[in-house]
Amino acid sequence: DVKVTQSSRYLVKRTGEKVFLECVQDMDHENMFWYRQDPGLGLRLIYFSYDVKMKEKGDIPEGYSVSREKKERFSLILESASTNQTSMYLCASIPGTAYEQYFGPGTRLTVT
Amino acid sequence: RKEVEQDPGPFNVPEGATVAFNCTYSNSASQSFFWYRQDCRKEPKLLMSVYSSGNEDGRFTAQLNRASQYISLLIRDSKLSDSATYLCVVKGGAGRRALTFGSGTRLQVQP
Repeated sequence: DVKVTQSSRYLVKRTGEKVFLECVQDMDHENMFWYRQDPGLGLRLIYFSYDVKMKEKGDIPEGYSVSREKKERFSLILESASTNQTSMYLCASIPGTAYEQYFGPGTRLTVT
Repeated sequence: RKEVEQDPGPFNVPEGATVAFNCTYSNSASQSFFWYRQDCRKEPKLLMSVYSSGNEDGRFTAQLNRASQYISLLIRDSKLSDSATYLCVVKGGAGRRALTFGSGTRLQVQP
């Protein structure tokens, strides 16, 4: 059974803080993704990675960066958190060219 | 214009009813299509892929109309457990590795 885990379910941070969201998958998947989900806007792709140390910008990368030092781990970094980054963050992974994305449980981040 | 558009609902239907959702997509080069289901406060999970010839999985039928660029999901004999948000998902043209999600249609099945 594929398992994608995220470091926190709920997180509260202050404006200007540096925030790390961690995602780990245990199925040796090449591709990993970070989305944010907001009411009425659906899931929007922030960044994705198709290999270790490789990354590509998604649709809304501004204000975010990512790190993939190991195949199983994909980190999302908010360099200086702002209130408009309050959202649900979902990590996903897929093996190779398969299409089904396996999602982690999500991290609900609140920036005050 | 959003790449994938859905009616947000909610669709409130009684148990046993048949309900249909539609979704339109803007990128004519899109290659693959899916319906995901998302329960409240949970992550999305794949419900079914959508094939050009149409496909069925139990009470669920998905269809694709490439000419009109829309996808549909039909649920027959609705159950209370079908209450969820249904996300229309499209995989873009060449070079687009990631999926594009619609904002979802909420279904509430009532006893």
